[in-house]
Amino acid sequence: SAVISQKPSRDICQRGTSLTIQCQVDSQVTMMFWYRQQPGQSLTLIATANQGSEATYESGFVIDKFPISRPNLTFSTLTVSNMSPEDSSIYLCSLLASGVGNEQFFGPGTRLTVL
Amino acid sequence: GEDVEQSLFLSVREGDSSVINCTYTDSSSTYLYWYKQEPGAGLQLLTYIFSNMDMKQDQRLTVLLNKKDKHLSLRIADTQTGDSAIYFCALGGGYQKVTFGTGTKLQVIP
Repeated sequence: SAVISQKPSRDICQRGTSLTIQCQVDSQVTMMFWYRQQPGQSLTLIATANQGSEATYESGFVIDKFPISRPNLTFSTLTVSNMSPEDSSIYLCSLLASGVGNEQFFGPGTRLTVL
Repeated sequence: GEDVEQSLFLSVREGDSSVINCTYTDSSSTYLYWYKQEPGAGLQLLTYIFSNMDMKQDQRLTVLLNKKDKHLSLRIADTQTGDSAIYFCALGGGYQKVTFGTGTKLQVIP
């Protein structure tokens, strides 16, 4: 399976600021995804990040709040803009493997706390 | 949309078998997955099953799929303390959107 790293692993931020989370993969992948996991909750898909096109956002998520970049096939960023305490979550990137099961593999996550 | 439900908590004794259950509403998913999340960590893919299969065994893990009842289960044989984690079922795969269950916290008592 691919090796996925995220930076930062955790951060504590002030209300109204923005944080950019980086996701790096050790191999080229077509589809990458960004998820949010609020405290004690399951995962919710924010958007699908495709290289060379704009990200596709799920209902309830908008580009102005969560801008995404996908400059190449091994890297993506998610920015959490104008943060509020409700944005405190774990943010995870994942990739779609090209194997038989079309599995998604996940990065270690970024734990964000907004004060 | 798809609803994927799991019981919140399961407690078993070390050495016993654990069975984690998952029910869903939409039967169109091609793949059904089980993920493990240890405290402070990301998600680890444990195993998956195709929707046209009834059972899959992988070492200590057995996945059972009852398509009629829309029920998926994960059995962990000889449960160890290292198996303590939150387990998520997930449906979808490929270019389908993956929907995650609510998660079951497994506590293994030594």
